[in-house]
This record gives sequence, C-alpha cells and structure tokens, in this order.
Amino acid sequence: EPEVTQTPSHQVTQMGQEVILRCVPISNHLYFYWYRQILGQKVEFLVSFYNNEISEKSEIFDDQFSVERPDGSNFTLKIRSTKLEDSAMYFCASSEEGQGGQPQHFGDGTRLSIL
Amino acid sequence: AQSVAQPEDQVNVAEGNPLTVKCTYSVSGNPYLFWYVQYPNRGLQFLLKYITGDNLVKGSYGFEAEFNKSQTSFHLKKPSALVSDSALYFCAVRDPSGNTPLVFGKGTRLSVIA
Repeated sequence: EPEVTQTPSHQVTQMGQEVILRCVPISNHLYFYWYRQILGQKVEFLVSFYNNEISEKSEIFDDQFSVERPDGSNFTLKIRSTKLEDSAMYFCASSEEGQGGQPQHFGDGTRLSIL
Repeated sequence: AQSVAQPEDQVNVAEGNPLTVKCTYSVSGNPYLFWYVQYPNRGLQFLLKYITGDNLVKGSYGFEAEFNKSQTSFHLKKPSALVSDSALYFCAVRDPSGNTPLVFGKGTRLSVIA
C-alpha cells in the first residue's frame, strides 16, 4: 500500500538555525498537509496546500514557517530561526481529494529537537 | 468552531473483552468524523470514518464506531480486544465544506492486558 514518507526521522538543531523537513506524499494525491504534535499534547494543524499554494493555515503557522513543493514529488516545511518551543513531532499528510470525506494519510513523522 | 473531546486519557481492558474508546464532538452542521491509531514512533493510521448513512461504521482491524447524533458522540468499539490493539487512539472531526483541516482530540491510550 502506498505510504507517505518523511525524512529525516529525527532532526536535532541548535536554536536559531533553520530546518527543512521533507515529505513525499502518495503519488496520486493532490492535497498536502502539515501537522505537529508537541510531546504529550494533541495533534495540531499547521497548513494545507493545493495546486502550489496554501489553502489554509492555522495561527501557529506564522512567518517563521513556509511550505514548498519544489518538484513533482517532494513537499517541504521550512522553519526559520527555530525556537525551543518548536520541538515536536511534525507529521506530513496527503489526500486524494480535498473534500471532507477523504481520509488523510499520514507519514511516520519527523521528531524535531531544538537545543 | 469544531472541537473533539476524548474524556479518558487511559483505557485498560483485558484481552478478549470488548473495548470502547469515547469521543464527543462539537460542530455546526453535519460532521465528518474519523478515528486514527498511533503506534509508538509511527504516524497516525486511518481506522474508519463516518460521512453519512448507517450510524455503525466498520473499519480496519475489527474496529467499528457508532455515530450518535443526539448525543454528539462517535465512540470507537471492538468486540474482543487484542494485546496488539494497545496504542494511542485519536478521534477527529472535519467540516464537510471544502478543504478544511482535521481537528483532533487529545488522544486516549488503550492498554490491553493479557
């Protein structure tokens, strides 16, 4: 069964540095998402992306964050000037369609640790 | 605004016994409801969804969930629990209008004891 793949599985970065988290969505999916899960807390929506532009973003997704689909397969999340509170699991998800009934399929996540 | 409540942080059940993981929701209009499971160091795996139709929906690994509109609930159930069902379970709701994000509950940790 096709999967969403994320790299790296664990990223350790010094505070203030930039990180790029990478995702390869399922190949025929058109809608892409990033969520994060701070340790012990709920999964929170960050941003959705369709047709090379952001569809919706949460209040968490401020100017520090950006997303990009640099080629036909990758979908990246960039975090500039990282802060301690950015430490979390970041999950990429994709869905075939954007309609509400379509399930989103998640990758295994990238654990981001900011020191 | 949409919201999901999972009132139990932890559910313990003996292997072979039925299990229930509770979820209630708040949304304007008709909700789209989902259950996901998360195993250690893994992402969220889709279990089942309710969109419309029969209130009892069946999903992966023998799980099912019952949509109850009057109680605004969508409890996850399984008739006979397995040790391998031990994991973190998330209920989620989505506004059916357009490409809207999933809103998750805080999760319920299920422990099935042999």
